[in-house]
Amino acid sequence: EAGVVQSPRYKIIEKKQPVAFWCNPISGHNTLYWYLQNLGQGPELLIRYENEEAVDDSQLPKDRFSAERLKGVDSTLKIQPAELGDSAVYLCASSSLAGGFDTGELFFGEGSRLTVL
Amino acid sequence: GQSLEQPSEVTAVEGAIVQINCTYQTSGFYGLSWYQQHDGGAPTFLSYNALDGLEETGRFSSFLSRSDSYGYLLLQELQMKDSASYFCAVRDGGDKIIFGKGTRLHILP
Repeated sequence: EAGVVQSPRYKIIEKKQPVAFWCNPISGHNTLYWYLQNLGQGPELLIRYENEEAVDDSQLPKDRFSAERLKGVDSTLKIQPAELGDSAVYLCASSSLAGGFDTGELFFGEGSRLTVL
Repeated sequence: GQSLEQPSEVTAVEGAIVQINCTYQTSGFYGLSWYQQHDGGAPTFLSYNALDGLEETGRFSSFLSRSDSYGYLLLQELQMKDSASYFCAVRDGGDKIIFGKGTRLHILP
């Protein structure tokens, strides 16, 4: 079974340019997460989807970040315009969490490493 | 607020046992997870405790005390490949997963 697929793996852009990251979760996983991870830090939640609904986007900087999950499968995270401080790894994860009746496991993709110059 | 506290670094010797502690303060609680992440890699799931007690999976064990808001990951028979960062993560009542800042484990030969 294929895992969580993210692209691109690496992206280098100049500040003020737009960038988009794509995530294909594990088939059948209803919940999808986007995390940001700075070097030497833990993943920080940006947004969580249950199917196509964004159920938690309180940590998403909505002035420049946007996300969508059309048809409740693939998801795209966009930054426009990018700032120097956005340089980080953007991780996508999926799960089939069922309100506590599950293993509690998140499956992560390899991440998209963004460098803003 | 919500916070998870774990040591930033731990050093141990190959073949030894090491314990990584995690204390948490969150608005809701379903369970505590542990993840391993090698440099440049994705976090991978190790264990999940929803109830008090010890869960054992091979060389790794995880413990939870809900009354103390405390848990730990125990790694036995350490191998060089265990050198990595380890994150505790709390699952709150709404399936939101919040991660700690991570513990960097250094293993000496």
